[in-house]
Amino acid sequence: ETGVTQTPRHLVMGMTNKKSLKCEQHLGHNAMYWYKQSAKKPLELMFVYSLEERVENNSVPSRFSPECPNSSHLFLHLHTLQPEDSALYLCASSPREGLAPSETQYFGPGTRLLVL
Amino acid sequence: GIQVEQSPPDLILQEGANSTLRCNFSDSVNNLQWFHQNPWGQLINLFYIPSGTKQNGRLSATTVATERYSLLYISSSQTTDSGVYFCAVITGFQKLVFGTGTRLLVSP
Repeated sequence: ETGVTQTPRHLVMGMTNKKSLKCEQHLGHNAMYWYKQSAKKPLELMFVYSLEERVENNSVPSRFSPECPNSSHLFLHLHTLQPEDSALYLCASSPREGLAPSETQYFGPGTRLLVL
Repeated sequence: GIQVEQSPPDLILQEGANSTLRCNFSDSVNNLQWFHQNPWGQLINLFYIPSGTKQNGRLSATTVATERYSLLYISSSQTTDSGVYFCAVITGFQKLVFGTGTRLLVSP
C-alpha cells in the first residue's frame, strides 16, 4: 500500500531533541489527520487538516506542532517531548473532512516513536 | 459524543478456531466500518457495513443498526489474522469515530 507514506518508520529521541514526522498522500485527498496510538489504548485523534487549514486540535500539548504546506503533505514537529509521548503516530487522509457514508480514511504505516 | 465500545478487549485463539468480535455504539450512525491493524501498525479497511451482512473470504460482518451493534466473524483463523480489529462509525457530523479495539493473537 503506497497511498499514504510516513517517514521515518522508527524514531528514538531524547527529551531535549527536536524532530519532525512526515506524511505524504498520493490519493488526491483534501483532508489529512494525525492520530496517536499508545499501548493498549484507543486511537486518539490529534489534528485534522482540510484543504491545508487546521480544522481540529483535540487539546494536544504545544510540544506537538503540525504543519500542512499543501494538501499532499503533513508534518508533525516535535520538541521537548516526554517519555509518555512514546507511541505509534499514524497519519491518515480522506477525500474530504466530512465523510460520506461510503467513504473512509486511508492510513499510513505509522512512525513508532520512543522518547528517552 | 458517541461512544463506541468493543469486546472482548483481548482474544487468544488457536489456529483454525472461529471467533466473534462485537462493536456496540451509543447513537445512530450513517455507516460502520471494520478495520484491521497488523502487528506492524498498518490499518486497513475490511468492510463498510451500515446494516445487514457482508462476507469476504473467511471474514464476515453483520450490523444491526436498530440495536446499535455490529459483529465481525473470523472463521478458520490463521496467524496472519493477528493484530487489532477496530470498528469505526461515521456519525451524523460526518466524523469517523473509532472504537476501543480488540487485540487478537492467533497462535500456530
